Amino acid sequence: GAGVSQSPSNKVTEKGKDVELRCDPISGHTALYWYRQSLGQGLEFLIYFQGNSAPDKSGLPSDRFSAERTGGSVSTLTIQRTQQEDSAVYLCASSLVEGVEKLFFGSGTQLSVL
Amino acid sequence: DQQVKQNSPSLSVQEGRISILNCDYTNSMFDYFLWYKKYPAEGPTFLISISSIKDKNEDGRFTVFLNKSAKHLSLHIVPSQPGDSAVYFCAASASGGYQKVTFGTGTKLQVIP
Repeated sequence: GAGVSQSPSNKVTEKGKDVELRCDPISGHTALYWYRQSLGQGLEFLIYFQGNSAPDKSGLPSDRFSAERTGGSVSTLTIQRTQQEDSAVYLCASSLVEGVEKLFFGSGTQLSVL
Repeated sequence: DQQVKQNSPSLSVQEGRISILNCDYTNSMFDYFLWYKKYPAEGPTFLISISSIKDKNEDGRFTVFLNKSAKHLSLHIVPSQPGDSAVYFCAASASGGYQKVTFGTGTKLQVIP
């Protein structure tokens, strides 16, 4: 595809349910990031994948959050036992080169936990 | 620990005038800086970047200035246009190996026609 694709675009869930958010990066991009933006806040780093290296999970806010990247392409961010404070826009980005190259973002998934 | 800071949450500017958005950073290892623009319901898009070996980079109406000694950078938009109304994020990273891109909290720019 031409850009980073995220699905679903909107997700409403009940507190305590698990959710999965999907990201399809730009073909050939080796680096993949997950960020989230809570209401009125900046972009909070969650996790970073680069090639076959171990992911940088330093931004994950709790052990309810996990992510995987299969075959170096598609990534899934899973939030278990969702809480209301998890409500945010979850943004995925990919890039050709780690760190210093510009990131290309998807449109995000708006997660609302009721 | 907010390593990239945008202290002005919002800015209003008249169309045709200059918009100046500011950003401060604390990590002296940062040596590459980027600005992103974000419209509602869309992901951020890359606008302009600057390496620490430079103090200025210009691209059309957009110019980024870097003051390394002050750990400060600014984005100038001139002339400002209504279509520039968006949230602008400052971001930074360090080269020489993996370093994640760290974003500021954003500044919402409104250009008044």
